[in-house]
Amino acid sequence: GESVGLHLPTLSVQEGDNSIINCAYSNSASDYFIWYKQESGKGPQFIIDIRSNMDKRQGQRVTVLLNKTVKHLSLQIAATQPGDSAVYFCAVNNTDKLIFGTGTRLQVFP
Amino acid sequence: GAGVSQSPSNKVTEKGKDVELRCDPISGHTALYWYRQSLGQGLEFLIYFQGNSAPDKSGLPSDRFSAERTGGSVSTLTIQRTQQEDSAVYLCASSLGGGEARGYTFGSGTRLTVV
Repeated sequence: GESVGLHLPTLSVQEGDNSIINCAYSNSASDYFIWYKQESGKGPQFIIDIRSNMDKRQGQRVTVLLNKTVKHLSLQIAATQPGDSAVYFCAVNNTDKLIFGTGTRLQVFP
Repeated sequence: GAGVSQSPSNKVTEKGKDVELRCDPISGHTALYWYRQSLGQGLEFLIYFQGNSAPDKSGLPSDRFSAERTGGSVSTLTIQRTQQEDSAVYLCASSLGGGEARGYTFGSGTRLTVV
């Protein structure tokens, strides 16, 4: 089955710096990947997605990179702000259900 | 409603009791999902309903867990004879189906504490 892992449980960055959150997945047949943001006491909120026919996708201040060769996914946040502080999850779509990683807590310091 | 509504938001129960957790999905969403999130962990898939199809129950951890979806709308997750390891946040999500995750909307969850 699919397993999804993250390299770091906590990432601390200074306000204004760029943040990079990494994720690894196990199933080379996976074709759809999603990043979610979860603030305290709330459910996960969709940030950005990417399909396996792409290797990069950009949103507002966020970029997702996909390296299918090494089965690695990353989320880049530009000019990190205090409001970006949250737990970030990558997820892989598996027959219409999502398999989530364990999450990385992003802490933003002034 | 505008979002996915879950109730209760918090539930404390004694070990061995049964509990029911409720999820009201977004109107018109045919797909409904239950996930469990233990402290400091990711989201663990439990069960998935899509329209009138048989639910995907492959994530239910034991036969003490069951879920129903009545009339293609409201869903109830039932945990019988609760154990301390069942303590977690139970999250519900709904979508239009078809695997487009951007359409998944999560509720705020029910925090279950078994004492």
